Amino acid sequence: EAQVTQNPRYLITVTGKKLTVTCSQNMNHEYMSWYRQDPGLGLRQIYYSMNVEVTDKGDVPEGYKVSRKEKRNFPLILESPSPNQTSLYFCASSLSGTSAEQYFGPGTRLTVT
Amino acid sequence: AQSVTQLGSHVSVSEGALVLLRCNYSSSVPPYLFWYVQYPNQGLQLLLKYTSAATLVKGINGFEAEFKKSETSFHLTKPSAHMSDAAEYFCAVSDSGGSNYKLTFGKGTLLTVNP
Repeated sequence: EAQVTQNPRYLITVTGKKLTVTCSQNMNHEYMSWYRQDPGLGLRQIYYSMNVEVTDKGDVPEGYKVSRKEKRNFPLILESPSPNQTSLYFCASSLSGTSAEQYFGPGTRLTVT
Repeated sequence: AQSVTQLGSHVSVSEGALVLLRCNYSSSVPPYLFWYVQYPNQGLQLLLKYTSAATLVKGINGFEAEFKKSETSFHLTKPSAHMSDAAEYFCAVSDSGGSNYKLTFGKGTLLTVNP
C-alpha cells in the first residue's frame, strides 16, 4: 500500500530535550515536505526537499532541522524544543514538487512542556 | 510572495444544500491551485487541483472549483451537501514558475452539515 508514515504519532517532551520525528514514504517520490498545523493558522511549511541531499527552508524553519540522506526518509529534528513548537506536524511527499498531488502522513501531535 | 485567503473559518449548511467555500489568492506568477480536505484525526487528501488547463476543475466526491483569473478566486462548490462532507477544507497555492516547491495554505474552513 502506498503511504507516508510518521513516528511517533504522539509525543510529550520537555523544553530542551532533542527529538526526532521520522517520516518515510514508499512511493519513490522525489519531493518531501514538513508542515505544522496550528488552530486558526492552517498549515505552514517548515522545510522541503527536492531530492536526496537537497533541502530548503519553508515559511517557518526556525528551531527545526532536516536531512535527506535517502530518498524514502525525511526526518524532522528539533535540537532544543520550546513550548511554541507544540503543534500537529505533517509530512508529505509527491512525485515532483507541489504541482503534483501531495500525499500526507497521519500526523504527529507534539507537546513541549 | 504568494498568499491565500479563505473567507469564513466556519460554514454551516443543511444536508442537500449547496456548499460554497471561498478562496482568493495572490501570486506574482500564474499559480497552481489546490483544495485539500482533512477529516477528523486524519491527514490531508487532495480534492482537486488547477494547473492551467480547464478553468472548471472537477474533483472527488462531487466537488468542483472554478479558476477566475480576473477575480483571483478559486471557490469550491458542491450542489448537494452530504453528512460525510463534514470536514475542514484548505485552499493552497504554489507558483508555476521555476520553483514550484513552496506551497502556501489558507487558514482553513470548517464545514458543518446539519441533518
